[in-house]
Amino acid sequence: SQQGEEDPQALSIQEGENATMNCSYKTSINNLQWYRQNSGRGLVHLILIRSNEREKHSGRLRVTLDTSKKSSSLLITASRAADTASYFCAPKMEYGNKLVFGAGTILRVKS
Amino acid sequence: DTEVTQTPKHLVMGMTNKKSLKCEQHMGHRAMYWYKQKAKKPPELMFVYSYEKLSINESVPSRFSPECPNSSLLNLHLHALQPEDSALYLCASRVGIGNSPLHFGNGTRLTVT
Repeated sequence: SQQGEEDPQALSIQEGENATMNCSYKTSINNLQWYRQNSGRGLVHLILIRSNEREKHSGRLRVTLDTSKKSSSLLITASRAADTASYFCAPKMEYGNKLVFGAGTILRVKS
Repeated sequence: DTEVTQTPKHLVMGMTNKKSLKCEQHMGHRAMYWYKQKAKKPPELMFVYSYEKLSINESVPSRFSPECPNSSLLNLHLHALQPEDSALYLCASRVGIGNSPLHFGNGTRLTVT
């Protein structure tokens, strides 16, 4: 299936700690995207990593991609209470417009 | 605020009603999406329009009818819905080619009574 599978399902950390979320997928991809969703709102795109990239940074976010293991991870460093949200990965197949989301990780950052 | 606007924000409808959800974007995106999201679940893909043509229908029941009148607008017509169709309906758009992310609206919270 194209859909990503994430772990952990839920993560609770203290402010200032780092949070790591993992995503695994089954098909060949063109890119893999990470999104954040605050409760009851639309999803917000965080970062896109292409299949020929291994690591990408954006502010406090670091994403890695291992196409041989069909897995990706999202690291949020120095977490803040405002990072509390659900995080979803979405592997994008090489062709077409289909984008399917994994089950997501619920992150709670305690202040 | 997002660049994808969805209206209405909330909608309550009876099972015999006909209503429509509307989505608008002016970013020149040529792919537009409808997702349905139940509480504590990921968004589920329903439909994708590419260059105003329906390109993906994820076996959605016919009581949901999408329409793309032009490149900026996407509608979802609702008829004879069931209470289990109550959910957050999200619209998204992307450039349509290459590596480009989705831009989401904030959704319409639908309650079917």
